[in-house]
Amino acid sequence: KAGVTQTPRYLIKTRGQQVTLSCSPISGHRSVSWYQQTPGQGLQFLFEYFSETQRNKGNFPGRFSGRQFSNSRSEMNVSTLELGDSALYLCASSLGAGTYTEAFFGQGTRLTVV
Amino acid sequence: TQLLEQSPQFLSIQEGENLTVYCNSSSVFSSLQWYRQEPGEGPVLLVTVVTGGEVKKLKRLTFQFGDARKDSSLHITAAQPGDTGLYLCAKGDSGYALNFGKGTSLLVTP
Repeated sequence: KAGVTQTPRYLIKTRGQQVTLSCSPISGHRSVSWYQQTPGQGLQFLFEYFSETQRNKGNFPGRFSGRQFSNSRSEMNVSTLELGDSALYLCASSLGAGTYTEAFFGQGTRLTVV
Repeated sequence: TQLLEQSPQFLSIQEGENLTVYCNSSSVFSSLQWYRQEPGEGPVLLVTVVTGGEVKKLKRLTFQFGDARKDSSLHITAAQPGDTGLYLCAKGDSGYALNFGKGTSLLVTP
Protein backbone atom coordinates (compact mmCIF):
# COMPACT_ATOMS: atom_id res chain seq x y z
CA LYS A 1 0.00 0.00 0.00
CA ALA A 2 1.06 3.58 -0.50
CA GLY A 3 3.33 5.17 2.07
CA VAL A 4 3.16 8.55 3.72
CA THR A 5 3.04 11.37 1.20
CA GLN A 6 4.24 14.86 1.97
CA THR A 7 3.87 17.85 -0.28
CA PRO A 8 5.62 19.86 -1.40
CA ARG A 9 9.10 18.31 -1.21
CA TYR A 10 10.88 21.66 -1.29
CA LEU A 11 9.89 25.20 -0.38
CA ILE A 12 11.67 28.50 -0.30
CA LYS A 13 10.00 31.29 1.64
CA THR A 14 10.90 34.76 2.81
CA ARG A 15 11.07 35.82 6.44
CA GLY A 16 7.71 36.98 7.69
CA GLN A 17 5.69 34.85 5.28
CA GLN A 18 3.61 31.87 6.27
CA VAL A 19 3.67 28.34 4.91
CA THR A 20 1.38 25.32 4.87
CA LEU A 21 2.69 21.78 4.54
CA SER A 22 0.55 18.75 3.77
CA CYS A 23 0.70 15.11 4.80
CA SER A 24 -1.35 12.14 3.63
CA PRO A 25 -0.95 9.16 6.00
CA ILE A 26 -0.96 5.49 5.18
CA SER A 27 -4.47 4.24 4.53
CA GLY A 28 -6.06 3.12 7.77
CA HIS A 29 -3.70 5.12 9.98
CA ARG A 30 -5.49 7.60 12.16
CA SER A 31 -2.54 9.23 13.88
CA VAL A 32 -0.35 11.84 12.24
CA SER A 33 2.67 13.36 13.92
CA TRP A 34 4.92 16.17 12.78
CA TYR A 35 8.63 16.57 13.48
CA GLN A 36 11.21 19.22 12.74
CA GLN A 37 14.71 18.05 11.88
CA THR A 38 17.73 20.35 11.98
CA PRO A 39 21.44 19.53 12.08
CA GLY A 40 21.85 21.07 15.50
CA GLN A 41 18.76 19.83 17.31
CA GLY A 42 18.01 16.61 15.49
CA LEU A 43 14.44 15.40 15.26
CA GLN A 44 12.05 17.27 17.51
CA PHE A 45 8.39 16.54 18.05
CA LEU A 46 5.95 19.26 17.00
CA PHE A 47 2.47 17.79 17.53
CA GLU A 48 0.32 14.73 17.04
CA TYR A 49 -3.26 14.39 15.84
CA PHE A 50 -5.65 11.50 16.14
CA SER A 51 -9.18 11.57 14.75
CA GLU A 52 -8.95 15.33 14.17
CA THR A 53 -7.91 16.04 17.78
CA GLN A 54 -4.50 17.21 18.90
CA ARG A 55 -3.38 14.77 21.56
CA ASN A 56 0.11 16.03 22.22
CA LYS A 57 2.19 19.10 21.50
CA GLY A 58 5.91 19.67 21.65
CA ASN A 59 7.77 22.69 22.90
CA PHE A 60 7.40 25.01 19.91
CA PRO A 61 6.02 28.55 19.73
CA GLY A 62 2.43 29.22 18.79
CA ARG A 63 3.50 30.16 15.26
CA PHE A 64 3.50 26.44 14.60
CA SER A 65 0.04 24.97 14.27
CA GLY A 66 -1.62 22.02 12.66
CA ARG A 67 -4.87 20.32 11.96
CA GLN A 68 -6.22 17.01 10.83
CA PHE A 69 -9.13 16.36 8.55
CA SER A 70 -11.77 13.64 8.72
CA ASN A 71 -9.87 11.56 6.15
CA SER A 72 -6.80 11.68 8.45
CA ARG A 73 -4.87 13.96 6.14
CA SER A 74 -3.02 16.64 8.06
CA GLU A 75 -1.59 20.07 7.49
CA MET A 76 0.84 22.11 9.48
CA ASN A 77 1.19 25.84 9.27
CA VAL A 78 4.04 28.10 10.26
CA SER A 79 3.29 31.79 10.42
CA THR A 80 5.69 34.73 10.49
CA LEU A 81 8.59 32.62 9.30
CA GLU A 82 12.02 33.10 10.82
CA LEU A 83 15.40 32.07 9.44
CA GLY A 84 15.64 29.46 12.19
CA ASP A 85 12.57 27.70 10.86
CA SER A 86 14.64 26.38 7.97
CA ALA A 87 14.52 22.63 8.44
CA LEU A 88 13.29 19.32 7.16
CA TYR A 89 9.70 18.84 8.31
CA LEU A 90 8.70 15.23 8.63
CA CYS A 91 5.29 13.73 8.95
CA ALA A 92 4.74 10.28 10.42
CA SER A 93 1.64 8.17 10.49
CA SER A 94 0.70 5.31 12.78
CA LEU A 95 -2.33 3.35 13.83
CA GLY A 96 -2.41 5.52 16.92
CA ALA A 97 -3.55 2.84 19.30
CA GLY A 98 -1.63 0.63 21.68
CA THR A 99 1.51 1.13 23.67
CA TYR A 100 4.09 1.33 20.92
CA THR A 101 4.08 4.26 18.57
CA GLU A 102 5.56 2.61 15.50
CA ALA A 103 5.77 5.46 13.10
CA PHE A 104 6.12 5.45 9.33
CA PHE A 105 7.65 8.60 7.95
CA GLY A 106 7.21 10.50 4.75
CA GLN A 107 10.13 11.89 2.76
CA GLY A 108 9.73 15.28 4.33
CA THR A 109 9.39 18.84 3.16
CA ARG A 110 12.62 20.80 3.01
CA LEU A 111 11.79 24.39 4.01
CA THR A 112 14.32 27.13 3.42
CA VAL A 113 13.61 30.58 4.84
CA VAL A 114 15.61 33.42 3.29
CA THR B 1 11.50 14.78 28.36
CA GLN B 2 14.19 12.22 29.04
CA LEU B 3 17.20 12.51 26.80
CA LEU B 4 18.44 9.71 24.63
CA GLU B 5 22.18 9.84 24.06
CA GLN B 6 23.65 8.15 21.04
CA SER B 7 27.29 7.34 20.47
CA PRO B 8 29.40 7.69 18.56
CA GLN B 9 28.09 10.77 16.77
CA PHE B 10 30.02 9.95 13.60
CA LEU B 11 31.55 6.74 12.32
CA SER B 12 33.51 6.18 9.13
CA ILE B 13 34.59 2.63 8.33
CA GLN B 14 35.68 0.45 5.45
CA GLU B 15 33.43 -2.10 3.84
CA GLY B 16 33.59 -5.43 5.65
CA GLU B 17 34.26 -4.02 9.11
CA ASN B 18 31.99 -4.57 12.11
CA LEU B 19 30.59 -1.77 14.22
CA THR B 20 28.38 -1.08 17.20
CA VAL B 21 26.41 2.04 18.00
CA TYR B 22 24.80 2.80 21.31
CA CYS B 23 21.69 4.45 22.68
CA ASN B 24 21.51 5.30 26.38
CA SER B 25 19.09 6.92 28.77
CA SER B 26 19.15 7.63 32.49
CA SER B 27 15.58 6.37 32.74
CA VAL B 28 13.82 3.15 31.95
CA PHE B 29 11.85 3.02 28.75
CA SER B 30 9.07 0.62 27.90
CA SER B 31 10.14 0.19 24.30
CA LEU B 32 12.74 1.48 21.93
CA GLN B 33 12.80 1.82 18.19
CA TRP B 34 15.68 2.03 15.78
CA TYR B 35 15.42 3.93 12.51
CA ARG B 36 17.75 4.49 9.58
CA GLN B 37 17.57 7.70 7.59
CA GLU B 38 19.25 8.22 4.24
CA PRO B 39 20.03 11.74 2.97
CA GLY B 40 16.94 13.52 1.71
CA GLU B 41 14.59 10.85 3.00
CA GLY B 42 12.51 10.25 6.10
CA PRO B 43 13.56 7.76 8.77
CA VAL B 44 12.65 4.13 8.14
CA LEU B 45 11.77 1.89 11.06
CA LEU B 46 14.19 -1.00 11.47
CA VAL B 47 13.03 -2.65 14.68
CA THR B 48 11.16 -2.21 17.94
CA VAL B 49 12.57 -3.79 21.10
CA VAL B 50 10.34 -4.21 24.10
CA THR B 51 11.64 -6.77 26.59
CA GLY B 52 14.76 -6.26 28.72
CA GLY B 53 17.59 -8.42 27.37
CA GLU B 54 15.83 -8.87 24.05
CA VAL B 55 17.95 -9.49 20.97
CA LYS B 56 16.58 -9.08 17.47
CA LYS B 57 18.34 -9.77 14.20
CA LEU B 58 17.66 -8.22 10.83
CA LYS B 59 20.08 -9.79 8.33
CA ARG B 60 23.49 -8.36 9.32
CA LEU B 61 22.02 -6.04 11.95
CA THR B 62 21.69 -7.18 15.57
CA PHE B 63 19.71 -5.09 18.04
CA GLN B 64 19.94 -5.56 21.78
CA PHE B 65 17.86 -4.06 24.55
CA GLY B 66 19.64 -3.80 27.89
CA ASP B 67 18.45 -5.88 30.81
CA ALA B 68 17.54 -2.76 32.75
CA ARG B 69 15.80 -1.25 29.69
CA LYS B 70 17.92 1.90 29.87
CA ASP B 71 20.15 1.21 26.91
CA SER B 72 20.24 -0.42 23.53
CA SER B 73 22.83 -1.24 20.94
CA LEU B 74 22.93 -1.88 17.23
CA HIS B 75 25.68 -4.09 15.85
CA ILE B 76 26.37 -4.34 12.13
CA THR B 77 28.41 -7.24 10.84
CA ALA B 78 30.47 -6.88 7.66
CA ALA B 79 29.21 -3.39 6.88
CA GLN B 80 28.40 -2.52 3.28
CA PRO B 81 28.17 0.87 1.54
CA GLY B 82 24.39 0.44 1.50
CA ASP B 83 24.43 0.63 5.30
CA THR B 84 25.48 4.28 5.08
CA GLY B 85 23.01 6.57 6.78
CA LEU B 86 21.90 8.16 10.02
CA TYR B 87 20.91 5.64 12.69
CA LEU B 88 18.39 6.98 15.16
CA CYS B 89 16.98 5.49 18.32
CA ALA B 90 13.64 6.68 19.64
CA LYS B 91 11.37 6.02 22.59
CA GLY B 92 7.73 6.73 23.03
CA ASP B 93 7.22 9.85 25.07
CA SER B 94 3.95 10.95 26.60
CA GLY B 95 2.24 8.13 24.78
CA TYR B 96 1.94 9.72 21.37
CA ALA B 97 5.28 11.34 20.60
CA LEU B 98 8.64 9.87 19.77
CA ASN B 99 11.68 11.21 21.55
CA PHE B 100 14.71 10.78 19.30
CA GLY B 101 18.38 10.70 19.99
CA LYS B 102 20.54 12.85 17.74
CA GLY B 103 21.73 9.82 15.85
CA THR B 104 24.92 8.18 14.67
CA SER B 105 25.99 9.15 11.18
CA LEU B 106 27.60 6.11 9.53
CA LEU B 107 29.68 6.20 6.37
CA VAL B 108 30.83 2.92 4.86
CA THR B 109 33.35 3.28 2.07
CA PRO B 110 34.19 0.57 -0.47
